[in-house]
Amino acid sequence: SQQGEEDPQALSIQEGENATMNCSYKTSINNLQWYRQNSGRGLVHLILIRSNEREKHSGRLRVTLDTSKKSSSLLITASRAADTASYFCATDSSNTGKLIFGQGTTLQVKP
Amino acid sequence: DTAVSQTPKYLVTQMGNDKSIKCEQNLGHDTMYWYKQDSKKFLKIMFSYNNKELIINETVPNRFSPKSPDKAHLNLHINSLELGDSAVYFCASSQDYSTDTQYFGPGTRLTVL
Repeated sequence: SQQGEEDPQALSIQEGENATMNCSYKTSINNLQWYRQNSGRGLVHLILIRSNEREKHSGRLRVTLDTSKKSSSLLITASRAADTASYFCATDSSNTGKLIFGQGTTLQVKP
Repeated sequence: DTAVSQTPKYLVTQMGNDKSIKCEQNLGHDTMYWYKQDSKKFLKIMFSYNNKELIINETVPNRFSPKSPDKAHLNLHINSLELGDSAVYFCASSQDYSTDTQYFGPGTRLTVL
């Protein structure tokens, strides 16, 4: 069964603006990861946040995790046209490498 | 140097045929995975192997059979292809099955006519 649900499904912003994507999940997790997928390409790992962490930064990316609400958010600051892609959250609950993906948010950044 | 590679990139075939997709990783990882991404971009794990041993086997028709000749390769063989098998299939690898980051291949777009 699908674990993650992402919101919004699509987001269109101007270059320079911030983009926020949300992910909700259903069961307890070991960690939550965010991946990016450019059109016609494979997924690229962006950032991982463990269940005992609340916030993590990587460059222009900021991820938060609220385990009480079973939700996470990905913030991309000062967006660029090159950030145009689909973004997926994925949860790991089993320590077997079994990632359960959300349905993704399609981000369009207009130059 | 491509870390995780898949062949072919595109595969168009008729219903009822048997086809294989190959995957190779040069990262020295122990664990490899197959995922299926449907037309709505929903990504679902199918199988994983750790050091040639099957770890994850999701509810997948037994027409799909993974084969791992060594830990750097995980191939996917599909028998009696059906229209619903049309999708993009991604191979991925990780250091081991408890390691967090998975590295994905570029995908194989399978179209069944």
